[in-house]
Amino acid sequence: QKEVEQNSGPLSVPEGAIASLNCTYSDRGSQSFFWYRQYSGKSPELIMFIYSNGDKEDGRFTAQLNKASQYVSLLIRDSQPSDSATYLCAEGSSASKIIFGSGTRLSIRP
Amino acid sequence: SAVISQKPSRDICQRGTSLTIQCQVDSQVTMMFWYRQQPGQSLTLIATANQGSEATYESGFVIDKFPISRPNLTFSTLTVSNMSPEDSSIYLCSVDKQAETQYFGPGTRLLVL
Repeated sequence: QKEVEQNSGPLSVPEGAIASLNCTYSDRGSQSFFWYRQYSGKSPELIMFIYSNGDKEDGRFTAQLNKASQYVSLLIRDSQPSDSATYLCAEGSSASKIIFGSGTRLSIRP
Repeated sequence: SAVISQKPSRDICQRGTSLTIQCQVDSQVTMMFWYRQQPGQSLTLIATANQGSEATYESGFVIDKFPISRPNLTFSTLTVSNMSPEDSSIYLCSVDKQAETQYFGPGTRLLVL
C-alpha cells in the first residue's frame, strides 16, 4: 500500500529564513507529487506540483524531487508569518487519486 | 483552478440521522472525490464519484454508510447515513481539473451529538 511520510512537527523557523519541509514516499513507480498548504479551519490549497527529478521554482517556493531516494521536499524562502500553516505532501496514485501524508505543521516566528 | 462550493458549510446532527452534503463546481470536470478529515488528522479518501455509474469506494468505506450521487459533470452529493459521534469530521469534495491536480472545496464541518 502506498504511503507518504512526513514529520508532523511543529517546525519553527524565524521570519526571513528558509523553511525546509520533507517527505518520503513508498511507491518507486509514482510519477506525480504535490504540496498543499492548509490553514487552520480551511481546506487544502495546492501550492506546488512536480513530476520530474530536480527542482521546480515558483516565487518563494521550490519543490525538489529525488526519485532515486523517493524523497520530495519543499523550500520556502524568506519565510513570512503568513506561511504558518500545515503543509501536506501528496503523491499521485491510480485513477487520478492522491495519497496524502499526515502533514507538517510550520510556525514562522517573528 | 476551479471554483467549488459545498453546502452546508457546517451542521450539528443527532445520532442516528443522515446528512446530505452537496458539492458544486463552476465547470465540467471528469473526476470528483470525497474526503474526510478528522480533527488533527490528514485527509482520507472516501470515494471517487463517477458520473453515470456507481461511486468507487476506498477500503473501509461502504455505499450503505456513504451513498454518493453524481448526476452530471458539475455536481455531486455525499450522504453520511445513520450517524454516530465517530462521524464528526470535516468532509471535503475535490475535483481533478488537469493532470491529476486536485482542487478542494471549502469543506463541511459535521458534529454528531
